Amino acid sequence: NAGVMQNPRHLVRRRGQEARLRCSPMKGHSHVYWYRQLPEEGLKFMVYLQKENIIDESGMPKERFSAEFPKEGPSILRIQQVVRGDSAAYFCASSPPVGDEQYFGPGTRLTVT
Amino acid sequence: AQRVTQPEKLLSVFKGAPVELKCNYSYSGSPELFWYVQYSRQRLQLLLRHISRESIKGFTADLNKGETSFHLKKPFAQEEDSAMYYCALSRAGGGADGLTFGKGTHLIIQP
Repeated sequence: NAGVMQNPRHLVRRRGQEARLRCSPMKGHSHVYWYRQLPEEGLKFMVYLQKENIIDESGMPKERFSAEFPKEGPSILRIQQVVRGDSAAYFCASSPPVGDEQYFGPGTRLTVT
Repeated sequence: AQRVTQPEKLLSVFKGAPVELKCNYSYSGSPELFWYVQYSRQRLQLLLRHISRESIKGFTADLNKGETSFHLKKPFAQEEDSAMYYCALSRAGGGADGLTFGKGTHLIIQP
């Protein structure tokens, strides 16, 4: 089992561009979580998804951010019209259908220039 | 809203000395508490959780509901314990939930 995969590992975008971050959960896992880590901060929960459903998006900024976890393929975190403040490490985690242990990916480091 | 506080950004101890990483939380319900660890160049991984009441790599943590604390302890530190440690809280009590993390403590074990 390869573990949670995230790509790209590093992403550079200019202000105003779009960023798309991908997360492939561990095999057999149906729950996906996205977290953001700003410099010198802990991880902040953004959104929790199951296949084709957003379960909890209480941590998502109201504008420009969206997430999906389609029936087929990876989960996508999309940031439109990026700003410098979006520069951060974005981590994805997955958990199995039963149980709550979350397994983390290596993260995507987004830099907005 | 729930909150997790790790008061020490950096903790440096000598090899063989006892280690205690502090974690306090606030939540009106019955949370589940976790310690996650991130070794250099590795991904975040679960170290232990309060409901399992296990000792992992010599570390233990006891949930103190009166003091709303979940401190991580090890009697004799080893150099390989050097890492970032994050305390985290789940509201779901065994179900799936987004975790609330503290800011982390960087533990350095000096030889």
